[in-house]
Amino acid sequence: GQQVMQIPQYQHVQEGEDFTTYCNSSTTLSNIQWYKQRPGGHPVFLIQLVKSGEVKKQKRLTFQFGEAKKNSSLHITATQTTDVGTYFCAGRTTDSWGKFQFGAGTQVVVTP
Amino acid sequence: DSGVTQTPKHLITATGQRVTLRCSPRSGDLSVYWYQQSLDQGLQFLIQYYNGEERAKGNILERFSAQQFPDLHSELNLSSLELGDSALYFCASSGIATGALNNEQFFGPGTRLTVL
Repeated sequence: GQQVMQIPQYQHVQEGEDFTTYCNSSTTLSNIQWYKQRPGGHPVFLIQLVKSGEVKKQKRLTFQFGEAKKNSSLHITATQTTDVGTYFCAGRTTDSWGKFQFGAGTQVVVTP
Repeated sequence: DSGVTQTPKHLITATGQRVTLRCSPRSGDLSVYWYQQSLDQGLQFLIQYYNGEERAKGNILERFSAQQFPDLHSELNLSSLELGDSALYFCASSGIATGALNNEQFFGPGTRLTVL
């Protein structure tokens, strides 16, 4: 079955530094979404990528979808304490009512 | 506030019991998803309903079942509960675009289930 792997599982970042989290699927995806879950909260939608090679930016966050539509990345520049949380990617299968497969998430801790 | 409501917020019960979790989607959303999040784990997709019909099934145990009612609220029934069923259960809803392939999911606050 479809597997979505996300690395790293944990990311300790010093405030001001950059980091990247990666998402890899065993199968081709129709689209991929990214969510952020703050400690004690619920996942909140960040972005969706649909096209092969697509790149989208949201302020300090840059999202990429691979050419083969099997991998994606989230890059955060100049990390702030507000970036603390767990970032999940969610890949959707290519059948007409595709299931969402969430990655295990990257838990981000920011030290001042 | 995502507009998705879930009740109850917390639920403590014993092994072997049966519970029902309730979800009200955002106004106008026809799709409802259920997820299980265990401690330090990601979100496990359980099941999706669209306008009352089951549309996609994930890793949902046979002891679990769900339905979506005509008013679009959904219930997740968990029976013969085991210790390992203790988790946070999220409901999410999304809009009505064709096939609902490209819609973001709005998550509710979750129901924390503790099985003793």
